[in-house]
Amino acid sequence: DAGVTQSPTHLIKTRGQQVTLRCSPKSGHDTVSWYQQALGQGPQFIFQYYEEEERQRGNFPDRFSGHQFPNYSSELNVNALLLGDSALYLCASSLYGFGEKLFFGSGTQLSVL
Amino acid sequence: AQTVTQSQPEMSVQEAETVTLSCTYDTSENNYYLFWYKQPPSRQMILVIRQEAYKQQNATENRFSVNFQKAAKSFSLKISDSQLGDTAMYFCASYLWGDGNKLVFGAGTILRVKS
Repeated sequence: DAGVTQSPTHLIKTRGQQVTLRCSPKSGHDTVSWYQQALGQGPQFIFQYYEEEERQRGNFPDRFSGHQFPNYSSELNVNALLLGDSALYLCASSLYGFGEKLFFGSGTQLSVL
Repeated sequence: AQTVTQSQPEMSVQEAETVTLSCTYDTSENNYYLFWYKQPPSRQMILVIRQEAYKQQNATENRFSVNFQKAAKSFSLKISDSQLGDTAMYFCASYLWGDGNKLVFGAGTILRVKS
């Protein structure tokens, strides 16, 4: 049983570019949440997707957007990249209504130069 | 809004000894969960232990146990018989029903187990 998988593992972009990160949830899960973890800090909630809709959103600008597909996989898009967007981006999946039982992926390390 | 505070940026312990990591949180609600996660250099966020706020009994998982003091809003993690593999960043987190259904994390504590 595959857990949460994320791709790519590492990514290097320059300021102003756009990036797409991908996540496949754990088998049987239908809800995907995204977190940003800056160096030396705890993860911060970006948003959550269920039934292909954004259900909850943290305090992140509109440059951060997402999508969920019918197979429950998800993408995180960041436009107009800033140096401060450099971070580890974690995807977590759960069954809707059981958000306290999150399973995390290994993350995508994004470096913005 | 929820807040989680970890006041110990770094801790170290000798192998086979016991260490306690501190965490305080702030919520006015009654229905919430508290967690300790371990993040080794592999970056994988691993659940160590979970506590339901309505349960008075402290959760335990093998060498890991918590001291949940609800009135004081304190949630510390005790690691017994520390092992080299316990070296990692440890995060305390809370989950509040109705508050966006999201985890709120503390800043983390780096734990180093020395041989």
